[in-house]
Amino acid sequence: GAVVSQHPSRVICKSGTSVKIECRSLDFQATTMFWYRQFPKQSLMLMATSNEGSKATYEQGVEKDKFLINHASLTLSTLTVTSAHPEDSSFYICSASPLYEQFFGPGTRLTVL
Amino acid sequence: AQTVTQSQPEMSVQEAETVTLSCTYDTSESDYYLFWYKQPPSRQMILVIRQEAYKQQNATENRFSVNFQKAAKSFSLKISDSQLGDAAMYFCAYSQLSGSARQLTFGSGTQLTVLP
Repeated sequence: GAVVSQHPSRVICKSGTSVKIECRSLDFQATTMFWYRQFPKQSLMLMATSNEGSKATYEQGVEKDKFLINHASLTLSTLTVTSAHPEDSSFYICSASPLYEQFFGPGTRLTVL
Repeated sequence: AQTVTQSQPEMSVQEAETVTLSCTYDTSESDYYLFWYKQPPSRQMILVIRQEAYKQQNATENRFSVNFQKAAKSFSLKISDSQLGDAAMYFCAYSQLSGSARQLTFGSGTQLTVLP
């Protein structure tokens, strides 16, 4: 149990385009989902927290207009990177939380050319 | 704000030996959770062990155990009988129970190498 999927696992896009990453909790309902960004050999940096049916809460320094988060249902949250630039290239990880524990997706590697 | 500190960027251990990874944290809360996560080269975050702050007994999970010292705000992970598959980045994490509940604060990580 407690499986979280992310799609796609890898994506390459051109600068200026938008990319959508999906995060799904497969066997439980997640009242809260989290989006992280991770650079090589570094820790996970929380980008935003989303609760189903409400606006996401973004961490300081994260551009909400650039990283659009939608949590439309108890099993699905999406992160859209708008007008992507090479500096947005990174590893993005989502997690889903039914109670006090977070279950992580496998991550998405985004490369912006 | 809560902070989590892992002072060992890298550690190594011989296969079958025991290794201890250190973690300290800072909080003014009395109720919280502490976690150790493992991130192998696949980069999938895997929960290793969890400790509830109100429990005095140290959590154990097979070869993994913790030494939780609440007064000292210390939460170390001991891996016994180390295996090659234990090689990974290990992150200590803190989660408070109130407010923005379930939000995790991560340490900077310890890269563990297991030597054959």
